[in-house]
Amino acid sequence: EAQVTQNPRYLITVTGKKLTVTCSQNMNHEYMSWYRQDPGLGLRQIYYSMNVEVTDKGDVPEGYKVSRKEKRNFPLILESPSPNQTSLYFCASSPRTGQNTEAFFGQGTRLTVV
Amino acid sequence: GESVGLHLPTLSVQEGDNSIINCAYSNSASDYFIWYKQESGKGPQFIIDIRSNMDKRQGQRVTVLLNKTVKHLSLQIAATQPGDSAVYFCAEIPASGTYKYIFGTGTRLKVLA
Repeated sequence: EAQVTQNPRYLITVTGKKLTVTCSQNMNHEYMSWYRQDPGLGLRQIYYSMNVEVTDKGDVPEGYKVSRKEKRNFPLILESPSPNQTSLYFCASSPRTGQNTEAFFGQGTRLTVV
Repeated sequence: GESVGLHLPTLSVQEGDNSIINCAYSNSASDYFIWYKQESGKGPQFIIDIRSNMDKRQGQRVTVLLNKTVKHLSLQIAATQPGDSAVYFCAEIPASGTYKYIFGTGTRLKVLA
């Protein structure tokens, strides 16, 4: 089954403790991205990647890192999480460079930073 | 389930009636638009898309209308069913050269039995 898989689905952590949210897609998509979703703000792009070893900042990259060492995986890293990073996170992928193609989303990761 | 957005505009529709959800987009140069549906506790799911050279596109029970003059997009759902209850939002993709999806904040659709 074609899908984007995020782990974990739920995570509660403490301020400053490094964490990684994994994202994997099995559709051989080139383009992957991370979003955060907050009430009243919609989906905001954190980082995106157009292909292996190619990543770039989205609208809200501060406090986040990503890597794209292989095509299927695009982990989101929070080196020192803070409470304002409490949010619902989505990973998405699409088959080409993101133009004129739908994005496929993972099920989301609910992160709480206390 | 999880709350996607606590402060979203809400459209309440009687089961069997038609629903119309609206979206104002921001970039007159955007050339591709998508409607997504997001059910509680799930990721957004593609419903229908439309390119800027069209003004209407129909799917199964859904129709998207694009008015480029006023930068307005609408999603019409025919014979709304309880399973249609969700948050709906539009996404615009600016013209070639960018890879950024710009998402609207969404509208919550409640289907009344």
